[in-house]
Amino acid sequence: DTEVTQTPKHLVMGMTNKKSLKCEQHMGHRAMYWYKQKAKKPPELMFVYSYEKLSINESVPSRFSPECPNSSLLNLHLHALQPEDSALYLCASSPSGPDEKLFFGSGTQLSVL
Amino acid sequence: AQSVTQPDIHITVSEGASLELRCNYSYGATPYLFWYVQSPGQGLQLLLKYFSGDTLVQGIKGFEAEFKRSQSSFNLRKPSVHWSDAAEYFCAVGAGDGLTFGKGTHLIIQP
Repeated sequence: DTEVTQTPKHLVMGMTNKKSLKCEQHMGHRAMYWYKQKAKKPPELMFVYSYEKLSINESVPSRFSPECPNSSLLNLHLHALQPEDSALYLCASSPSGPDEKLFFGSGTQLSVL
Repeated sequence: AQSVTQPDIHITVSEGASLELRCNYSYGATPYLFWYVQSPGQGLQLLLKYFSGDTLVQGIKGFEAEFKRSQSSFNLRKPSVHWSDAAEYFCAVGAGDGLTFGKGTHLIIQP
């Protein structure tokens, strides 16, 4: 299994909602990532978990809260988002470190109304 | 901090023609370098990577890239493009704190 699976594929939420994005991989990778990608822009790193510990947090607003329950799962909890947070949210994994090749999921397209 | 420049926002190539996408990086040491491809609404797929050793790197789908330290470049090439190569191409550099992506080059294939 060489896939990174993200659910849901699409999400529409209001600014007062609480929702979660989920990511799963079964490649035995120990590093997992959240990226945010606006239309026609490159992905921007949000968070890195290495061996289930948060190792990089790129000054992301607290309305985004990551969680890594185990080495195969990565969640992104969303609360009180703004319309400008609408974007494609990409999860990725790599064998151990942040400079290795990343395996990306297909992303969750998020729209905040 | 490291940075990546992809000078071409759009490139149009005829099907069957050769392709070169440019990438320049800025980093104090030899970084890890990557090329990814993204189709609309999809995640990114790794085409190839350079860590060390041979400066000509072979990747998937017939792509190759050449690392030139003197020019701080890592250009992507393909001898003959197919219509299915139309996509967004990102060059990325890794320097210990996660990958930094260039702004991307949108590749259009003309029949």
